[in-house]
Amino acid sequence: QSALTQPRSVSKSPGQSVTISCTGTSSDVGGYDYVSWYQQHPGKAPRLMIYDVNKRPSGVPDRFSGSKSGNTASLSISGLQAEDEADYYCCSYAGRSVVFGGGTKLTVL
Amino acid sequence: EVQLLESGGDLVQAGGSLGVSCAASGFNFNGYAMNWVRQAPGKGLEWVSGISATGGQTYYADSVKGRFTISRDNSKNRLSLHMNSLRAEDTAIYYCVRDKRMTTITPFEYWGQGTLVTVSS
Repeated sequence: QSALTQPRSVSKSPGQSVTISCTGTSSDVGGYDYVSWYQQHPGKAPRLMIYDVNKRPSGVPDRFSGSKSGNTASLSISGLQAEDEADYYCCSYAGRSVVFGGGTKLTVL
Repeated sequence: EVQLLESGGDLVQAGGSLGVSCAASGFNFNGYAMNWVRQAPGKGLEWVSGISATGGQTYYADSVKGRFTISRDNSKNRLSLHMNSLRAEDTAIYYCVRDKRMTTITPFEYWGQGTLVTVSS
């Protein structure tokens, strides 16, 4: 149950687009279409943004999208807004267990 | 409105035991898998344990297997986590999390506000 690999931080300007990668193995990301992404603002509980690789829960803006290729999943955010500044975590089912990524701090400045 | 309210977090000595609970409301509790996810201070998220809607299937992270026990009481809409042989590295906010489905232990659709467990060494 090793953590998935994400970039520690990324910085972008408002209006730009960003893609956050999440690399696992064939035992987690590559083996199942059960990748999800969570947004967490400081002091708050996480929020589900993407599930089953590329599905958006109701209420999540369509600026957020997900994809997967092999053992790497990606979260893309277009038209960045100040409120998108947060920590983002990827997560994958791993056969009777679940593994998270280490998290990526997105700064919008 | 889905609500998940954790309780039971406390300061406990290393080697001790503690139980945390989650009172669920606003949805059909016995229709969804439930989980515990924790976050150490200033650190990332770590899945701890999950349980199917009926309670028939339980799942644990390697880091807690054999020490923690997850359970649910569908008649009382309550999820519990009993923790034994606690270690300093178990110090974290423990979130009660509702799955989006009945049997899978991901994705995590609704989160409580968490309860803090502190293990002193």
